[in-house]
Amino acid sequence: AQSVTQLDSQVPVFEEAPVELRCNYSSSVSVYLFWYVQYPNQGLQLLLKYLSGSTLVKGINGFEAEFNKSQTSFHLRKPSVHISDTAEYFCAVSDRGATNKLIFGTGTLLAVQP
Amino acid sequence: ETGVTQTPRHLVMGMTNKKSLKCEQHLGHNAMYWYKQSAKKPLELMFVYNFKEQTENNSVPSRFSPECPNSSHLFLHLHTLQPEDSALYLCASSQDKGRGGSYEQYFGPGTRLTVT
Repeated sequence: AQSVTQLDSQVPVFEEAPVELRCNYSSSVSVYLFWYVQYPNQGLQLLLKYLSGSTLVKGINGFEAEFNKSQTSFHLRKPSVHISDTAEYFCAVSDRGATNKLIFGTGTLLAVQP
Repeated sequence: ETGVTQTPRHLVMGMTNKKSLKCEQHLGHNAMYWYKQSAKKPLELMFVYNFKEQTENNSVPSRFSPECPNSSHLFLHLHTLQPEDSALYLCASSQDKGRGGSYEQYFGPGTRLTVT
C-alpha cells in the first residue's frame, strides 16, 4: 500500500519569492507521482507528473518538481510566485499496477501575500 | 462542453430527501471515480468504475449508491444522508493504462453538498 505525507498544511510566502512544497511518499513498489492544484470552488487540476525518465519534471504555471527515489520525495518548487498561485496543492501517488487509483496527501495551502 | 462536468454545483438537502449527483466526461475515458473532500481530510476515494463495471467500493455507506450507465456518465444517488456527509463531492475520469492512458485523473468542479 502507498501513502503520501505533506507535512506543511500551510505555507505563507511573499509575492515574487521562491517556494517549495514538500511531499514524501511511502511505497513498497515503484510509483507514479503527481501534483494537483485546487483553486477555490474548483476541482483539481494536474500541475505535473513523474512517470519515468528525467527526475526533474516541469509543469504548468512555472512549477517544477524533482523525484528523489532515495529520499522518497517529490517536492514542488517555483522560483517566483504570484498572487494568483494562492491555492491548495495536493501530492498524489499511484502504483504501477492494473488500477488507476490515486492516493492523495492532505494538501498544502500556498498563501501568497503582496 | 469539454473535460469533466458535474451538476448541480451546489445542493442543500434534508436528511430524509433523495437526490442525485451527475457527472459527465467528454474525454473519451473509460474509468470514472467518485471522491469525497471534507475539510482537513485527504481526498477519500469512494467508488471506481472501469468500463461501466464497479471495481472498487471503499466501504462507503449504503446511503450512497453509484450508477454508471455508460463510460461517459456517472451518478451518485443519495438518500437519508447525515450532516457529516456534507462535503465537496468530486468526480474524475482517466484512460485505462492498457489503452495508452497516461495515468492522471481529470477532475470535475465538484458538487458542494450540505445536509441539514
